[in-house]
Amino acid sequence: DAGITQSPRHKVTETGTPVTLRCHQTENHRYMYWYRQDPGHGLRLIHYSYGVKDTDKGEVSDGYSVSRSKTEDFLLTLESATSSQTSVYFCAISDGDMSNQPQHFGDGTRLSIL
Amino acid sequence: GESVGLHLPTLSVQEGDNSIINCAYSNSASDYFIWYKQESGKGPQFIIDIRSNMDKRQGQRVTVLLNKTVKHLSLQIAATQPGDSAVYFCADYYSGGYQKVTFGTGTKLQVIP
Repeated sequence: DAGITQSPRHKVTETGTPVTLRCHQTENHRYMYWYRQDPGHGLRLIHYSYGVKDTDKGEVSDGYSVSRSKTEDFLLTLESATSSQTSVYFCAISDGDMSNQPQHFGDGTRLSIL
Repeated sequence: GESVGLHLPTLSVQEGDNSIINCAYSNSASDYFIWYKQESGKGPQFIIDIRSNMDKRQGQRVTVLLNKTVKHLSLQIAATQPGDSAVYFCADYYSGGYQKVTFGTGTKLQVIP
């Protein structure tokens, strides 16, 4: 399995609180991604990074921000969590651009916003 | 993994039989396709990929078929085993749009021992 660790694995928090999810990789891959997975939807891309300090928005980026200060760490922040952000969040990595290289996923963080 | 879909289509297969899982995609410009397997409580796991200049690719016990004319992808699993029970979904990627990917919602494969 690709060396991807997501933390925390489970979190319950209240509406309006800030939340930060962490993705740590040991593969030295250039690209890192954050997805959310919800019933009735396929995985949807939130944000991605193509290098240290290089990030861009995905399909569903509203309400989320990211940071990548080191190759191995990619953080996803919900500045003020809302109930619609209750979801399972997956981090993924790839050695090259996703349109050329398969992505490898972590085991997810289950986030509940009450 | 268990939250992939409210009413996932389910394919029930006898152990030892072959399984065929289908996927339709909508972007005719997509040029890279991947099948993933997701077990309950786990992240998606890469199974096999295929590029748009191919129509078939084989791996160990798995074959992916691509029909670009009708925008259809299938995954064939030979001699299905209980460990193959999971949700399977496809993803299509478009290299012309930056980081453009669409994931399917998945099919649940249930292997009957």
